[in-house]
Parts: sequence; structure tokens; C-alpha cells
Amino acid sequence: DSGVTQTPKHLITATGQRVTLRCSPRSGDLSVYWYQQSLDQGLQFLIQYYNGEERAKGNILERFSAQQFPDLHSELNLSSLELGDSALYFCASSGQSRMNTEAFFGQGTRLTVV
Amino acid sequence: GQQVMQIPQYQHVQEGEDFTTYCNSSTTLSNIQWYKQRPGGHPVFLIQLVKSGEVKKQKRLTFQFGEAKKNSSLHITATQTTDVGTYFCAGLYNNDMRFGAGTRLTVKP
Repeated sequence: DSGVTQTPKHLITATGQRVTLRCSPRSGDLSVYWYQQSLDQGLQFLIQYYNGEERAKGNILERFSAQQFPDLHSELNLSSLELGDSALYFCASSGQSRMNTEAFFGQGTRLTVV
Repeated sequence: GQQVMQIPQYQHVQEGEDFTTYCNSSTTLSNIQWYKQRPGGHPVFLIQLVKSGEVKKQKRLTFQFGEAKKNSSLHITATQTTDVGTYFCAGLYNNDMRFGAGTRLTVKP
């Protein structure tokens, strides 16, 4: 158990809909990362938050948005869903101290858009 | 922005053969980490390298960090079927972590 919790584990929705993926980081970790992994592909960095503020953006579509709340949990919002958005979405957290930068991944949310 | 390039994208080997994956950054890294993702699983931390020229070993796995702290490699000696999965490097730029695209390893028994 990595200590990172992602919900839901599976999500099936129709095109055009909007969904929210949730991530609870490991206790004490300030950084949260979101990644998209399409079938048999690598990890595509979407966005990073650090202590409630957006830190960096990757290849995140305008239809996607995220936020990190004061209790450090994060949500990734995907709207106007398309078939191509079907993927595994991972959240990872890290402590960001010089000695402890290991990232811990959640089990992922598998999104299927039909 | 910062980016870590990882090659090859895929590698298929016969059991017993060696395997190497490489990561390269255009800018100096604070550290580099390696992760393994088993099929159907999530990436799991393997190791972290911090010092210039550092070499670490975990049984049949050897990890190296380049002298300039811009490149790294993971070498597996005598692969086994249990080594299958995708291996990712992740470079730390100050406080920002960036993953390579991963190398997917398949091993034929």
C-alpha cells in the first residue's frame, strides 16, 4: 500500500460528459502529480500541485482542470469527454524534501469513455 | 520545460539476455529515480541516485548516474520472466519531477 488513495478505481461514462477524479496523497506529502497513461503507453505528465498551488503544467488539455485543496487532496476534472480520453489516470505524491523525493503512486483510476 | 528522454521505447529479450534502458536530460538533475510498473499495476519506486557518477546495485539490477548528472542507465543482467514490465526514470529538477516515457520490457522464456 503506497498510502496514496485514488477514487474511483473504475469509471465508465459517455462522450460529452464530465467526471471528477479524486486523489488523497500520502500523509504529509505536499506535492501531487497527475499523469495520464493510455493503453501500453508511457506516463504523460498532466499537472503538478505543491501545497495548494499549481506548480507545473504538462500536456494537459483545456478541457481538463485540477486543483489541490487546503487538506492537500486533489481533484482532476475532465469535461466534454471524448473517446480518446479513455486511459488510466494516476496520481502520485512526494514529500519534496531533499532527502525524500520518492513518488508514491495510487492504484489509478481507469476511465472508459463510450 | 524540463524533459527526460528515455530509450528504447520497447525491448524484447530472450530470458537470460541482458537489458539496458537509458535516460537523458538536457539540463542537470538534482537526482534521478527509477520505477518499475508491472503489467496492470502502478509505478513502484526502485531506487534514487543523487551523486555524480553514482552506481548502485540491487541483485541483477545496476543503476548509474552520469558524471554530469544529466544521464542515467538501468542495466539488468540475465533477465528473468519476473523482470517484465515498464521501467521509468524520473528526473528531479529542483523541486519538479519529470518522468521519462518508459521502456517496456518483455522477456521470452
